[in-house]
Amino acid sequence: DTGVSQDPRHKITKRGQNVTFRCDPISEHNRLYWYRQTLGQGPEFLTYFQNEAQLEKSRLLSDRFSAERPKGSFSTLEIQRTEQGDSAMYLCASSLIRAGETQYFGPGTRLLVL
Amino acid sequence: QQQVKQSPQSLIVQKGGISIINCAYENTAFDYFPWYQQFPGKGPALLIAIRPDVSEKKEGRFTISFNKSAKQFSLHIMDSQPGDSATYFCAASMSRNTGNQFYFGTGTSLTVIP
Repeated sequence: DTGVSQDPRHKITKRGQNVTFRCDPISEHNRLYWYRQTLGQGPEFLTYFQNEAQLEKSRLLSDRFSAERPKGSFSTLEIQRTEQGDSAMYLCASSLIRAGETQYFGPGTRLLVL
Repeated sequence: QQQVKQSPQSLIVQKGGISIINCAYENTAFDYFPWYQQFPGKGPALLIAIRPDVSEKKEGRFTISFNKSAKQFSLHIMDSQPGDSATYFCAASMSRNTGNQFYFGTGTSLTVIP
């Protein structure tokens, strides 16, 4: 399978715990995006990387959230001290670097904070 | 502030009928307009996309109509099938924004009745 993959697919955690998600983009894609999707809403942009550089972060990304893409390949999104409001689907997408290039989404990680 | 407004929220169509979903935007810097299809528990999958230099694009049973002056675009699904039952999201991006982040509508839940 050459699509975007995410792990885990589901995560249940208790409030206050830390969680980490992983995204493996399509291999030749330089750009990697993280989005958050809550029930009944469209995905909302969180942050994106061009190769290993994190170039933009949304105001939605509080200081409890951190993302890395250490070698320009896979990326991790960590949420520290989770809150119930963090419960959502976390989507990863990747694209080529050309302007206006479409983004291909992974299956998402569904997080439930109890 | 919702950058892309989508309607209707839900839609029920008989098999063989035409499904029409509408989106509107304000930012004239947007220059790429994709539509995504999402099934429950899955990530969004690209369906069809259009750039503002054309007024219509057709791929199989799916057609995007684009009205640049009205800042509106719509998805038409011809000969709708039960397998088309899913949530559809329109989106917009601006290539001059180095991040090329997508702004999504709130989604339309389509049900095609056999």
